[in-house]
This record gives sequence, C-alpha cells and structure tokens, in this order.
Amino acid sequence: AQRVTQPEKLLSVFKGAPVELKCNYSYSGSPELFWYVQYSRQRLQLLLRHISRESIKGFTADLNKGETSFHLKKPFAQEEDSAMYYCALLTGANNLFFGTGTRLTVIP
Amino acid sequence: SAVISQKPSRDICQRGTSLTIQCQVDSQVTMMFWYRQQPGQSLTLIATANQGSEATYESGFVIDKFPISRPNLTFSTLTVSNMSPEDSSIYLCSAGVSGYEQYFGPGTRLTVT
Repeated sequence: AQRVTQPEKLLSVFKGAPVELKCNYSYSGSPELFWYVQYSRQRLQLLLRHISRESIKGFTADLNKGETSFHLKKPFAQEEDSAMYYCALLTGANNLFFGTGTRLTVIP
Repeated sequence: SAVISQKPSRDICQRGTSLTIQCQVDSQVTMMFWYRQQPGQSLTLIATANQGSEATYESGFVIDKFPISRPNLTFSTLTVSNMSPEDSSIYLCSAGVSGYEQYFGPGTRLTVT
C-alpha cells in the first residue's frame, strides 16, 4: 500500500528565510510525485512534478529514491507563498494519493 | 489545461436526505475523479468516474452511498445518499487527460445537520 507523509502540519518562516516542506513516501512501484498548493480562497492547483525537474515560483523538489523523499524547497520565502501545500503520489491506477498537507505561513 | 466548475458551492442538508453535486469541465477530458476532504484531513479519493460505465470506487466507498454518473466527457455527478453528520466534508471534483495532470474544481462544502 502507498503512503505519503508530511510530518509538519504547520510551518512558519520569516520572509527571506529558506523554507523546506518535507514529504516522504512509501510505494512499491516507480514513484511519480507532485506538489499541489492551495492559496487562501483558491482551488487546489499543481505546483510542480518531479519528472519535470522544473522550478516554479522559486520552488524546487528533488526526488530522492534512497531516502524516499520529495521535499519542497525555496531559498527565500515570500509572503505570497503562504498557503496549504500537499505532496501527492501517482499510483499505478492513475490515482493521486495525497499527504495530509502542511500549512506554510511566511511572517513579514 | 481545464477549468472545472461545481454546483452547488455549499449546502446544508438534513440527516437522511441525499445531495447531488455536479461537475462540469470546459473541455473533453479522459479522466474525472471525486475526492472528499473531511475537516482537518487530507484529500481522499472516492472514485474514478468512467464515461459510459460504472465508476471505480476506492476501498471504503460504495456505490450505494456515493452513486456517480458520467454521461459524457465533460460532466459528472456525485450523489451523497442517506446523509449523516459524518458526511460533512468538502467534496472535490478533478479532471485531466491523465492522472498525471489533474485540475481541481472549487469544491462543494456540505454540512449535514
């Protein structure tokens, strides 16, 4: 069975500080991982996916198969980054399995 | 990309009644999904809505409680049947050409009294 763990429900950082949102997974197949974000009063939206190896809004995430992790990082947090972040795993059935989410607050 | 709309955006229902939630996509998509997000919890997949055939339900969810229709490639409905307070949740529709890239609706906030 698959599992996605986001150990921090809440995370607060100061503006300009580095931020790392942790995500660990457990999956018997070849993992495809995503980060989704939900800003206040907006719908859930895709932030980035590991296969693209892209940087979106300054965020990056590297898949570490040895540590079964997919942590989301940004070197300098901005106030507009405050949101709910979900790590998600795509299963073989083409379903997304979500972690419990981390609410990030960037303090001005 | 795809734009997803849901109706109603919220509702307050009495125990024992049923509510049907509609999901409309602005383009033809291969896959449509229904999720539940209970208060303080993450999103849990209820089922995959299949066009022209019965939905595929996840463990813990059954057709009698959550009947789903998908008459075409742009529309689906989820019915929450015989509701109890435990069904109070946000119900989300998502759609995409694959599970790989899903677009989410704004959600339907259901309160059962």
